[in-house]
Amino acid sequence: EAGVVQSPRYKIIEKKQPVAFWCNPISGHNTLYWYLQNLGQGPELLIRYENEEAVDDSQLPKDRFSAERLKGVDSTLKIQPAELGDSAVYLCASSLGVAGHTGELFFGEGSRLTVL
Amino acid sequence: AQKVTQAQTEISVVEKEDVTLDCVYETRDTTYYLFWYKQPPSGELVFLIRRNSFDEQNEISGRYSWNFQKSTSSFNFTITASQVVDSAVYFCALSEALNAGNNRKLIWGLGTSLAVNP
Repeated sequence: EAGVVQSPRYKIIEKKQPVAFWCNPISGHNTLYWYLQNLGQGPELLIRYENEEAVDDSQLPKDRFSAERLKGVDSTLKIQPAELGDSAVYLCASSLGVAGHTGELFFGEGSRLTVL
Repeated sequence: AQKVTQAQTEISVVEKEDVTLDCVYETRDTTYYLFWYKQPPSGELVFLIRRNSFDEQNEISGRYSWNFQKSTSSFNFTITASQVVDSAVYFCALSEALNAGNNRKLIWGLGTSLAVNP
């Protein structure tokens, strides 16, 4: 069974440029999560989707970050414009069911963003 | 106040040593879940175990074992006879409900970096 697939693995951009990350969750997983992880820190939730609905986006900086999960399958996270402080690893995860954070999360390998 | 505390930032052991990773949590929920995840150098977080607050039974899985004690709000993780492949960052996490609904958040510790040397 294929795991959670993310792309790109690495991205280097100049500040003020846009960037987008893509995630394909495990087939059949209703819930999809985008996390941000800074070096030496635990993951921080940006947004959680149940199917195509964003049920928790309270930590998403909506002035520059946006996300979508059309058709309730794969998802895109966008930053526009990027700032130096956005340099981090962006992790996508998925889980079966819609309870959210009660069961196992399956993570992708992450997309490492460097903003110069 | 930090809700999940992993007091050990880095641990270094020699192969075959036993090592315990500590996790102390804080919550007012009566129903909560505790997790351990492993993050190897490749970066992908891998689920190890989930415990709900009503199940204090300790668990053993191969060389891994977990000791859940509600009385001390701890959920410690022991690796027996450590191997080089165990080298990774290990995260403890707490899932608690923010309100009467089911909108839980996962609160992560800062992680413990384990280096197992040959």
